[in-house]
Amino acid sequence: EVQLVESGGGLVQPGGSLRLSCAASGFTFSNSIMNWVRQAPGKGPEWVSYISVSGTIFYADSVRGRFTISRDNARNSLYLQMNSLRDEDTAVYYCTTDPPGVDPWGQGTLVTVSS
Amino acid sequence: QAVLTQPASLSASPGASASLTCTLRSGINVGSYRIYWYQQKPGSPPQYLLRYKSDSDKQQGSGVPSRFSGSKDASANAGILFISGLQPEDEADYYCLIWHSGAWVFGGGTKVTVL
Repeated sequence: EVQLVESGGGLVQPGGSLRLSCAASGFTFSNSIMNWVRQAPGKGPEWVSYISVSGTIFYADSVRGRFTISRDNARNSLYLQMNSLRDEDTAVYYCTTDPPGVDPWGQGTLVTVSS
Repeated sequence: QAVLTQPASLSASPGASASLTCTLRSGINVGSYRIYWYQQKPGSPPQYLLRYKSDSDKQQGSGVPSRFSGSKDASANAGILFISGLQPEDEADYYCLIWHSGAWVFGGGTKVTVL
C-alpha cells in the first residue's frame, strides 16, 4: 500500500525558507513520477511541482524560480525547497504520486507564512 | 480565462441525479484529455473518483460506487461527472484535473449540496 509522510512545515516569515520532505513506502519510489500539491485554507487544491523518474521537472507559474523539487531514490524521499516565501504560499502541502491523488494522500504538512 | 472552469455550486435532492461540468478553455479540445475527478469532504484531502477520456479509456477509482460516472460533451468542450441517486454523503466539493502544457491543472471546484 502506498504510504506518503510529509514533514518540515511550520511558521515562517515572509521572505524566509523551508524545506519539505516526503518519505515514501509501499511502492517502487525510484520508478515513480512524483508531485507536490498544496491547498490553502478554504481553497481548492493547487498543483505545485512534478519530477519524473529521469529528472524532468515542471513547476507551477506561481512558484517557478522560488521553489526547487528534488528526489533521493536511495532514501525513497521527495523534497521541496521553498525560498522567498510569500503570504500566499500558506497551505497544507502534500506529496503525491502521479497523477496527483490517484493513490492515497499523506496527511500533508502545514506551511504558514506570516509575520 | 482559466484553463478549467467549474460552476461554484449545485444543489439537488436526495435520490436525484446531478451533472457536474468541467469546461475547458477555448482552444483546448476536451477530446484530447483524460479528465480526473475528485471528491473532497471537510478535513480530508481530495479522494480520487475516476478518470474519463473515452468509453475505451476510463477508470473507476477503487471502491468508488458505479453511480459515479464520467463522460464528455464535445459541443460544450466539457468533461462531465454524473452522479445518480444522490445520497446525503455525496455532499462535498468536487474537482476536475487535467495535464496541460507541462502542468497539472485543477478546476476551481463545485460545491454539491444535497438538500
